[in-house]
Amino acid sequence: AQTVTQSQPEMSVQEAETVTLSCTYDTSESDYYLFWYKQPPSRQMILVIRQEAYKQQNATENRFSVNFQKAAKSFSLKISDSQLGDAAMYFCAYRSWEDDKIIFGKGTRLHILP
Amino acid sequence: GAVVSQHPSWVICKSGTSVKIECRSLDFQATTMFWYRQFPKQSLMLMATSNEGSKATYEQGVEKDKFLINHASLTLSTLTVTSAHPEDSSFYICSASRDRANEQFFGPGTRLTVL
Repeated sequence: AQTVTQSQPEMSVQEAETVTLSCTYDTSESDYYLFWYKQPPSRQMILVIRQEAYKQQNATENRFSVNFQKAAKSFSLKISDSQLGDAAMYFCAYRSWEDDKIIFGKGTRLHILP
Repeated sequence: GAVVSQHPSWVICKSGTSVKIECRSLDFQATTMFWYRQFPKQSLMLMATSNEGSKATYEQGVEKDKFLINHASLTLSTLTVTSAHPEDSSFYICSASRDRANEQFFGPGTRLTVL
């Protein structure tokens, strides 16, 4: 069975600085999707970034980028120029190529210090 | 596009009553809908997966007689918590997917409090 591990329950970063959230996963599959979701205090789940495992190039969405290391089964999220609105719970997630189900990590609560 | 709504956003009920939560995909047809439960300060736990016109597939440990799921159309799925008890109090989130190649779009969640 696949698992997703986020080893940092909480992190803090100064506004305008850069922060990296860690995620590792375990799978025997070769094709899959990886996601980072943001859950702000409103609790609405928001997709931050998505990576297909077959793509070697790291996904980027504006200030958000990932470091995808397939062999190491690592999928970290880098947030550049952190803003107060980035404060939220961040979940790393895995989805099999064949299965619709998403497996979430336990989350990392990110605090932005003004 | 790709908006998913839930109704109600919050509900308070007495122990022993049943509560129905609706999940709608507003601008797309969802082949599959998912129901999650989230306890305070915890991650999302998948409860069940439903496909339009067929029975839901429940995750291990989820009581299908307690959490009734009906996926009546390509835009509507409902979760009914039957004979609710205080331990059923939680935040319930649905998501919808057009197809396997696409992401899941999440609803805003429903907070259930059972007194």
